Amino acid sequence: RKEVEQDPGPFNVPEGATVAFNCTYSNSASQSFFWYRQDCRKEPKLLMSVYSSGNEDGRFTAQLNRASQYISLLIRDSKLSDSATYLCVVNLDKFYFGSGTKLNVKP
Amino acid sequence: SAVISQKPSRDICQRGTSLTIQCQVDSQVTMMFWYRQQPGQSLTLIATANQGSEATYESGFVIDKFPISRPNLTFSTLTVSNMSPEDSSIYLCSVGKGKNIQYFGAGTRLSVL
Repeated sequence: RKEVEQDPGPFNVPEGATVAFNCTYSNSASQSFFWYRQDCRKEPKLLMSVYSSGNEDGRFTAQLNRASQYISLLIRDSKLSDSATYLCVVNLDKFYFGSGTKLNVKP
Repeated sequence: SAVISQKPSRDICQRGTSLTIQCQVDSQVTMMFWYRQQPGQSLTLIATANQGSEATYESGFVIDKFPISRPNLTFSTLTVSNMSPEDSSIYLCSVGKGKNIQYFGAGTRLSVL
């Protein structure tokens, strides 16, 4: 079983739409959680950390549910520039990366 | 945050040869990491590079194939030895800073013919 599982997508949405991604992790002892964004042919870049209380950064909201062992990312008012692959990352003894969810925002 | 310079950005190599990838950080860091990313796949950790000691390799990766140097707290190299076409991939270095956040270099796109 993979440590981190994500729906690969792609999610094809129109501009202005709200889209949500989920990610599940297998080890309840996992300590910290992140969403990274990876553009085509680029390196992953930190989008946001995920806290138990949930956190928001502009149009992006991340939530952590430790009981159910899943992490979510909500993007409101999607922009064309949001098109990318979103990686769910979990830190335990090391960093475990999900395979990524691809988002395509269309005009 | 951290600024990471990784080079070369890309290379095309002949099978049987070796390539050394360099990673330079703009500040001192304890932990540096080397990853591989196959096309369309997620990142796989190759090894953790510790300054002053041997690198710690993940299952499936060995020092003879991927020797790593970590001469100081701002620099590391990864060598891909005796390359075969199966080694064609993107190789990424990263550093850990702050609250367990990892920052990545731009990656090395390697093609082996």
